[in-house]
Amino acid sequence: ETGVTQTPRHLVMGMTNKKSLKCEQHLGHNAMYWYKQSAKKPLELMFVYSLEERVENNSVPSRFSPECPNSSHLFLHLHTLQPEDSALYLCASSQEGDRGGGTEAFFGQGTRLTVV
Amino acid sequence: AQSVTQLGSHVSVSEGALVLLRCNYSSSVPPYLFWYVQYPNQGLQLLLKYTSAATLVKGINGFEAEFKKSETSFHLTKPSAHMSDAAEYFCAVSDSGAGSYQLTFGKGTKLSVIP
Repeated sequence: ETGVTQTPRHLVMGMTNKKSLKCEQHLGHNAMYWYKQSAKKPLELMFVYSLEERVENNSVPSRFSPECPNSSHLFLHLHTLQPEDSALYLCASSQEGDRGGGTEAFFGQGTRLTVV
Repeated sequence: AQSVTQLGSHVSVSEGALVLLRCNYSSSVPPYLFWYVQYPNQGLQLLLKYTSAATLVKGINGFEAEFKKSETSFHLTKPSAHMSDAAEYFCAVSDSGAGSYQLTFGKGTKLSVIP
């Protein structure tokens, strides 16, 4: 399998549930990301892991908890979500060099999350 | 700080007509610029990128974009639209020397192609 794979593709959960989103990249990249895509809003960067260390956390509520056990896997643990958290959650990866810049992000197909 | 403005949240063209999707950026340092495409219920796929080499960049599916520093623009064009081009298109910018996590995306332009 190649590229960036996200599971599940669709998820419906109640506000009291706990669930996890999974992302796996087969590109040998050293950085992974979680983005949130809501209707009529720009893509929102949530978390960044570079070399398995979290380097960015853009004021995301604590009900979202990321985990990066190794450079190929990224999880987003969800608990006590709100209906406004319903969105498409996209995982991405990239290869960051010493000088940075110009490297594109490769995206997974996303998980469509609905909170009821 | 960097930002991206995409003019027009929705553009409609006839099949075979020119496609022009507009993107203007602001960046305090020389930028790297990207266009991504998103088909329904899919992730984003890179169409093309500008990284300070040639100002006219050719991408996949017949798309190209021209970097114009004086206009701070990076508009996306395709000479002849095809039905399969119907999708949402995102322009993104990152500062040169910054990592991909410094990518700033525009709000997107949904392209409809009329038969």
